[in-house]
Amino acid sequence: DAGVTQSPTHLIKTRGQQVTLRCSPKSGHDTVSWYQQALGQGPQFIFQYYEEEERQRGNFPDRFSGHQFPNYSSELNVNALLLGDSALYLCASSLGSRGSGDEQFFGPGTRLTVL
Amino acid sequence: AQSVTQPDIHITVSEGASLELRCNYSYGATPYLFWYVQSPGQGLQLLLKYFSGDTLVQGIKGFEAEFKRSQSSFNLRKPSVHWSDAAEYFCAVGVRGYQKVTFGTGTKLQVIP
Repeated sequence: DAGVTQSPTHLIKTRGQQVTLRCSPKSGHDTVSWYQQALGQGPQFIFQYYEEEERQRGNFPDRFSGHQFPNYSSELNVNALLLGDSALYLCASSLGSRGSGDEQFFGPGTRLTVL
Repeated sequence: AQSVTQPDIHITVSEGASLELRCNYSYGATPYLFWYVQSPGQGLQLLLKYFSGDTLVQGIKGFEAEFKRSQSSFNLRKPSVHWSDAAEYFCAVGVRGYQKVTFGTGTKLQVIP
């Protein structure tokens, strides 16, 4: 079992650009959550996808959007990048039937640097 | 809205000494509570979780945590720390029926010989 995988590992973009990050959940999981972890901070919930729909969203602007595919993999898109978007982006997968009570398995993250 | 406070940003302990990391949460009802560990360059690994029942929860790597409703706390403990325990530890709270999990700001643990 490969666990949760994320790509790319690192990414450098400039302000105003757009970026797409990808996540493949742990085998058997149907739910993907995305978190932003700024340097020295805890992860902050961006949104969660279940059955190809956004099920809940944290306090992030519409520049952050996502998608879930029929195979449960997911993408996080960020438009009009700002310097403040520089962070480690974590994907977590779980079984979606029990809300936040499900154990979430985290991927290693994608380090995004915006210049 | 739920929130989590980890009052200690950085803790240093000697190898073999006991460890307690503090976590306080704010939520009106009984929450789901978690402790995660993050090593440099790694994702988060779940150490233990509390949903209901016995308030003393055993986790992996010899860690345990105790849920104290009266103090709104969920402190993490280990009787004897190993050098490999050096990492950052995050307490998190979830709400029944909702998807969002809220993390604290983390406590960085340094282990000295």
